[in-house]
Amino acid sequence: DAGVTQSPTHLIKTRGQHVTLRCSPISGHKSVSWYQQVLGQGPQFIFQYYEKEERGRGNFPDRFSARQFPNYSSELNVNALLLGDSALYLCASSLGRETWRSNQPQHFGDGTRLSIL
Amino acid sequence: AQSVAQPEDQVNVAEGNPLTVKCTYSVSGNPYLFWYVQYPNRGLQFLLKYITGDNLVKGSYGFEAEFNKSQTSFHLKKPSALVSDSALYFCAVRDAAAGNKLTFGGGTRVLVKP
Repeated sequence: DAGVTQSPTHLIKTRGQHVTLRCSPISGHKSVSWYQQVLGQGPQFIFQYYEKEERGRGNFPDRFSARQFPNYSSELNVNALLLGDSALYLCASSLGRETWRSNQPQHFGDGTRLSIL
Repeated sequence: AQSVAQPEDQVNVAEGNPLTVKCTYSVSGNPYLFWYVQYPNRGLQFLLKYITGDNLVKGSYGFEAEFNKSQTSFHLKKPSALVSDSALYFCAVRDAAAGNKLTFGGGTRVLVKP
């Protein structure tokens, strides 16, 4: 069975540019969450989406946005890139919004490594 | 607000010896606790979780963790470490009343020497 897939695996951008990262969840999973992992730190929560609606947002500026499509895949968009946006961006999927009740863990993809020059 | 602390940046252990990775947490409600492992250039792999019930939780690859409510700890353990266990380990907490957001600790690098 395919796990969470993310594309691209690596990306190099310059300051001020815009980037779109993509994520396909595990088949049957309806919830997608995005995390930012800066080198040497633990992942930081950015967004959670379920049924195409934002269900949670972390402490990130409005330059960060996301959406979820009818097939439950998701995109993370970052505008006006800064050097500090250089990080590994992780997507995680889980069964659903009520996951916290069903106690199912989130499953992570291998991430997109974004480098800002 | 929820938080996780992993007090050790790195743990060194000889192959075959027991391994312990420490984690303490803070949540306002009931905690859901998780351990993940990350190998170089990879995402996070789920190891085990504590939701409720027995304080000793068994997970993948021979790992287990002990939940201690009074000490707000959730230490990861393995009775006999392997060189292949060398990786970055993350403890995470989810507040049962706060939805699906995971809060991670800063990670502990484990180095198992042959």
